[in-house]
Order: sequence, then C-alpha cells, then structure tokens
Amino acid sequence: DAKTTQPPSMDCAEGRAANLPCNHSTISGNEYVYWYRQIHSQGPQYIIHGLKNNETNEMASLIITEDRKSSTLILPHATLRDTAVYYCIVRGAYSGAGSYQLTFGKGTKLSVIP
Amino acid sequence: DTGVSQNPRHKITKRGQNVTFRCDPISEHNRLYWYRQTLGQGPEFLTYFQNEAQLEKSRLLSDRFSAERPKGSFSTLEIQRTEQGDSAMYLCASSLGGISNEKLFFGSGTQLSVL
Repeated sequence: DAKTTQPPSMDCAEGRAANLPCNHSTISGNEYVYWYRQIHSQGPQYIIHGLKNNETNEMASLIITEDRKSSTLILPHATLRDTAVYYCIVRGAYSGAGSYQLTFGKGTKLSVIP
Repeated sequence: DTGVSQNPRHKITKRGQNVTFRCDPISEHNRLYWYRQTLGQGPEFLTYFQNEAQLEKSRLLSDRFSAERPKGSFSTLEIQRTEQGDSAMYLCASSLGGISNEKLFFGSGTQLSVL
C-alpha cells in the first residue's frame, strides 16, 4: 500500500471548518483513501473513504484531487468532541497477502479550540 | 449492536507471566483483527481472522503471541512469558463486507503494563 504524509498537528477554532490534508503521491489506481480518527483512550473510529470521487457522509467530506496524489478531510463545523488524532490510510482493493491490513501512520493531532 | 467489547480493560502483570485478552466482535461480523498500539504511534497490525480461520499474521509477531477464534465468534490473544516491551494497548476490531467497502469497528482496547 502507498505511504501517506500528514502534518503532525493542527488547531481549529470551534464552529469553523477543519481541513486536514494528506499526501499520497505513490497511490495506485485500485487503492482507496480511508480516514479514521482516534479520540483519547478509545479505539479508532471509521470516518469516510473514497477512490476517485469526492465523498460526503454525516461525519465529514473527503476531497480527492484529480491526480489522486492528495486528499483533504473536511469537518464542516468542528466541535470540541472532534479533538482527536486523524489517520489517513491508503489501502488496495485486491485479494492476497497483506490486503486486509490497515497501515496506520502517526496521523494528525487535531485540537479544536473554544 | 453493542459494539466490539474487549476484556479486561487494563492488565498489569509481572515480566515472565502469561496473559490472555478476550475480544467479542459485533455479531455476524466475519472478520476480526488484532492491533497493538504504543504511546505516540498509530496502531500496528498483528493478525486477522476470517470466521475461525487465522489468515494472516504480522511478520513482526513473536512466537510468544498466539490468537484463536473458536467457532468464528469471540477471539483470544495470549502472550506467553511477557516482556516489558509487550507493554502496549491491544486493540480488537471486527468488520463485515467486501474489501473495497470494509469499515473496521474497534473496541476500546486492553492496556497491558508489564512490570
């Protein structure tokens, strides 16, 4: 699976949009971009994933560039409960050894400030 | 749907002792994963099951670690002859669905401290 690069930390004012970037310049055509987050003392929580098109669900929006080398997770109205570590993961949709592993990096620590 | 349950929540043991953790996945989820997380790092894959079959193990996983999932329901992770380097959060996750749409649901983990 392709590697990802994320900033180690970001701040966001409460009520404002949080835009979390992720670089995945070596992504291949059948690899998806996944986002998970981990609130302190809890297990990771799935947020959203996508292949080529932008995606939106009740939690967030995922914007993937046309060349697919980077993406942005958008939390439209950040709250204090969104303070967490956010992980961007690239994962192939193929069968075989290693296909079911998720490779987590260190993620971005998002702090939502009152 | 009560989520993924892990027990115990915390475990303190002395070096050289054996420990066992239990994970109860979301019912009907056919895949179950074990991950390990140390402070400041993201979770690291250990092993996964599809139903009762253990299909993959990390190459980094010591032979002191063993996992089972009898009858494809709950799973146990045992660490024999614990070492201080085994101190970590052990996370379990379960999922259902194809690989292109898979969403993992994680438990809250078992925090292991080896003294």
